[in-house]
Amino acid sequence: AQSVAQPEDQVNVAEGNPLTVKCTYSVSGNPYLFWYVQYPNRGLQFLLKYITGDNLVKGSYGFEAEFNKSQTSFHLKKPSALVSDSALYFCAVRVSLTGNSGGYQKVTFGTGTKLQVIP
Amino acid sequence: GAGVSQSPSNKVTEKGKDVELRCDPISGHTALYWYRQRLGQGLEFLIYFQGNSAPDKSGLPSDRFSAERTGESVSTLTIQRTQQEDSAVYLCASTSRSSNTEAFFGQGTRLTVV
Repeated sequence: AQSVAQPEDQVNVAEGNPLTVKCTYSVSGNPYLFWYVQYPNRGLQFLLKYITGDNLVKGSYGFEAEFNKSQTSFHLKKPSALVSDSALYFCAVRVSLTGNSGGYQKVTFGTGTKLQVIP
Repeated sequence: GAGVSQSPSNKVTEKGKDVELRCDPISGHTALYWYRQRLGQGLEFLIYFQGNSAPDKSGLPSDRFSAERTGESVSTLTIQRTQQEDSAVYLCASTSRSSNTEAFFGQGTRLTVV
């Protein structure tokens, strides 16, 4: 079974400061990791993903995330927070299975972290 | 279509009535998910369809909830005898067969049970 943990329900950060939203995962196999953002009264939007290669992944709106295999983490970061970054952030994991299972595993989402950027 | 389409966008129903929510996934996407999101809360997984495989129904909260999908096309989520606690936004997402591709979400159906 695969799982994702977002240990913080809410993160508060002052505008202009760096932000980090934490995510850890548990999978059997190689993980594919994703971050999504949900702005108030909007649908979920894809931000970035890690598939393979460089552990530091850059995405939309100046966000980046670092894949750390030894710590099984994929924390979302931004060097300088904006008030407009205030939203719900979701981490997700998916793994491709081999063998006769059909090879497709569903995506699993974390419970979400509310980011509040304070002016 | 260009994106995941859900209808209706809003639904107000009386307690005890049945409702049907519809999701049109992106053409060619084999996987389809239904989630429930209460106000300001996270995503609650409901059900997962992958191609012609048996659906993963492990997230359905009660036998009042059911969902169908024909092949790799439209899905309907049905809630029977609605209760006030069913009030939430119901989100649909679809993904392609490749595990390294992201999920695409619809705008959701906001269900209010009065």
